[in-house]
Amino acid sequence: ETGVTQTPRHLVMGMTNKKSLKCEQHLGHNAMYWYKQSAKKPLELMFVYNFKEQTENNSVPSRFSPECPNSSHLFLHLHTLQPEDSALYLCASSQTREGRDGYTFGSGTRLTVV
Amino acid sequence: AQSVTQLGSHVSVSEGALVLLRCNYSSSVPPYLFWYVQYPNQGLQLLLKYTSAATLVKGINGFEAEFKKSETSFHLTKPSAHMSDAAEYFCAVMSWAKLVFGAGTILRVKS
Repeated sequence: ETGVTQTPRHLVMGMTNKKSLKCEQHLGHNAMYWYKQSAKKPLELMFVYNFKEQTENNSVPSRFSPECPNSSHLFLHLHTLQPEDSALYLCASSQTREGRDGYTFGSGTRLTVV
Repeated sequence: AQSVTQLGSHVSVSEGALVLLRCNYSSSVPPYLFWYVQYPNQGLQLLLKYTSAATLVKGINGFEAEFKKSETSFHLTKPSAHMSDAAEYFCAVMSWAKLVFGAGTILRVKS
């Protein structure tokens, strides 16, 4: 499979649950990103990984914990979330950290916190 | 840091009419600019990109955009709208090695 694949597509979780979002890319890209897309708000960059190393954390609460075991896989571990964390979480990748060719996005995980 | 502003959160056109979605950027250096489209319950798909080559950039699905430095604009156009063009469109700029998005414009196409 080519492109950026995110699983699951939909997730409903309680505030005390622990869950993980998975992102996988088969494009040979070296940089990966997590974005949050909430209703009526601009896309927010959460984390950046370059060659498996985290290079950016945009003041994201610690209840979101990213993991990048290799350049092809990116996870977002979730625990004790709040209802305001409900959103579409998008994973993206780019050939280089500079991303001058743009990013390739996955279809996203629609997260609902109840 | 560079940023983009999209004028108009909603645009409505008739099928077959010209599509014009506006984007202005702020940048002190030559920018890398992008247009993305998002269909309902989908991720973002790259429509086209400007990387300081030709000022008129052609993308997928018949869209194109023109980089105008004097106006700091990168407006997206399509000569004839199709029902399948109904979606949300995002302008973005590469700023300090991060892709920064505008607020988005929802395009509605009327039959």
